[in-house]
Amino acid sequence: DAGVIQSPRHEVTEMGQEVTLRCKPISGHDYLFWYRQTMMRGLELLIYFNNNVPIDDSGMPEDRFSAKMPNASFSTLKIQPSEPRDSAVYFCASSFYRLASEQYFGPGTRLTVT
Amino acid sequence: DAKTTQPNSMESNEEEPVHLPCNHSTISGTDYIHWYRQLPSQGPEYVIHGLTSNVNNRMASLAIAEDRKSSTLILHRATLRDAAVYYCILRDELDNQGGKLIFGQGTELSVKP
Repeated sequence: DAGVIQSPRHEVTEMGQEVTLRCKPISGHDYLFWYRQTMMRGLELLIYFNNNVPIDDSGMPEDRFSAKMPNASFSTLKIQPSEPRDSAVYFCASSFYRLASEQYFGPGTRLTVT
Repeated sequence: DAKTTQPNSMESNEEEPVHLPCNHSTISGTDYIHWYRQLPSQGPEYVIHGLTSNVNNRMASLAIAEDRKSSTLILHRATLRDAAVYYCILRDELDNQGGKLIFGQGTELSVKP
């Protein structure tokens, strides 16, 4: 398997624009996670899905952020409108959950909002 | 999830063993100890996990104190490629939250040639 795939790898956009980040989890995995990493706050869990259903979105910072998982092989994280403070690296991870199972992370999308 | 405490940074020499400590005094009986690491400009990757007994795999060893209030990740021979941030994470495996991870600040390991 190619691992977790994220696109784009880098995104530069202007404040106010809509940004869509994409993730393809590892085939067969039933959990998908979105994390954000900044220098100030470290790695934070934003939202996670089980079998395409959002389970916990308590980490989503505000209504400007939304995430969907229309099928088992694709998820999006959308920011509308984007703000400079959204600049961060966004990671997607997936797992096939069993006792103490590991998560597999993608390479991340580096977002810069000017 | 219970909190962990790790040193902010550590240094090691290449080809020498490295012991990365983690304190977790409020660990509960159903918490597993997980270690992940993040190499520069990459996503985190799984290293090892354990519950009570010491564990070994191809990457590292995990030594868990008898009272489980602390643990140590052991890299037997550090290489330059082991320079990374190492995260010690407790995860309640009976909480059934799909294995979500709550990251702390981790230990930044630098390896000198």
